[in-house]
Amino acid sequence: DARVTQTPRHKVTEMGQEVTMRCQPILGHNTVFWYRQTMMQGLELLAYFRNRAPLDDSGMPKDRFSAEMPDATLATLKIQPSEPRDSAVYFCASGRTGVSYEQYFGPGTRLTVT
Amino acid sequence: GENVEQHPSTLSVQEGDSAVIKCTYSDSASNYFPWYKQELGKRPQLIMDIRSNVGEKKDQRIAVTLNKTAKHFSLHITETQPEDSAVYFCAASILTGFQKLVFGTGTRLLVSP
Repeated sequence: DARVTQTPRHKVTEMGQEVTMRCQPILGHNTVFWYRQTMMQGLELLAYFRNRAPLDDSGMPKDRFSAEMPDATLATLKIQPSEPRDSAVYFCASGRTGVSYEQYFGPGTRLTVT
Repeated sequence: GENVEQHPSTLSVQEGDSAVIKCTYSDSASNYFPWYKQELGKRPQLIMDIRSNVGEKKDQRIAVTLNKTAKHFSLHITETQPEDSAVYFCAASILTGFQKLVFGTGTRLLVSP
């Protein structure tokens, strides 16, 4: 049963520190989405990649967030510098654009910035 | 932009009762409507989806319906069980140069034994 994997599962860091979250999409999926989930905002789309190319990062605070996909098996989301308001669960999801709209979520990274 | 509204935000039922969650969307071009179940501390999991050429889809105790004219779709769970307790999210597809989903705000379902 293929699944999206994410590391780390939990991260506690101090304000101002750099945070890097990693995602491995399901093999054969050509799209990767990064979502942020908070109690107040629900599921927010931060960035989207198709065939490793960034297509939309309009949901991301540009000054501190960056997303990359260095190869087909790895997507990264980086926050530098981190702030307490960044505390949330960050989900990665993958799918096969052009075949279906279905998205499959990873287990998430729970980030706490103190 | 596309907006998806979901109601109710919380729903409490007794075991064995039915539960219905409703969503409305604004983009008439939307053609894919998935439902996700998220248990506490877990990932959202796709439980069922429906496409614009289908009015209803059913699998055991779960059914989803779609009314494109009215732009609303619903999740129906019959004979609810305590393990159905979770947050349920609806979503609608939009196509703005690329495919993406817009999610509703979630419904917290509590099934009491």
